[in-house]
Amino acid sequence: ETGVTQTPRHLVMGMTNKKSLKCEQHLGHNAMYWYKQSAKKPLELMFVYNFKEQTENNSVPSRFSPECPNSSHLFLHLHTLQPEDSALYLCASSQDLQGAQGTQYFGPGTRLLVL
Amino acid sequence: TQLLEQSPQFLSIQEGENLTVYCNSSSVFSSLQWYRQEPGEGPVLLVTVVTGGEVKKLKRLTFQFGDARKDSSLHITAAQPGDTGLYLCAGAEGNEKLTFGTGTRLTIIP
Repeated sequence: ETGVTQTPRHLVMGMTNKKSLKCEQHLGHNAMYWYKQSAKKPLELMFVYNFKEQTENNSVPSRFSPECPNSSHLFLHLHTLQPEDSALYLCASSQDLQGAQGTQYFGPGTRLLVL
Repeated sequence: TQLLEQSPQFLSIQEGENLTVYCNSSSVFSSLQWYRQEPGEGPVLLVTVVTGGEVKKLKRLTFQFGDARKDSSLHITAAQPGDTGLYLCAGAEGNEKLTFGTGTRLTIIP
């Protein structure tokens, strides 16, 4: 059990829709992450939060808007997405920001399809 | 931008065979991790290596970090169907963010 849950597991949306992805971690961690996993591309870091403060925005388009109300919850708000945004969106958490020294625990992901 | 190339991209072998997959970069990493991702799940950490030349074993899996800390390999002995999955390496310099590799998709045929 990873202790990181994500909802919904699957999402289909049109380009004009607004939807939100939710991530919750039950591990007492301080850092949370959003990643995008596309076919044939390496896992891409999107956003990093540490103690609810955003510490990294990896040049992500503004149609993706993260929100971290507390250390246990992370949201990714989506609006006016493009078909190329279709991917698996993974949430992860870690005790602190430790790079490859620490352990990131991943959720199962939300499979997003933009039509 | 640090780039981690993994090879092969796809590998399909019979149960019981041995295999090695590779993770290569032109950049130096202070530490490197290997993850396995099964269908419908997120990646799960297998091992972290931090010292050049370090070898770690996890049951039938042997991980090696290159002397120059630019590359790593994962060797699986007597592969089993449960080893099927996407293997990802990821490196970082200090406490910097992780850079993930391109992945090796492994299929073990019963």
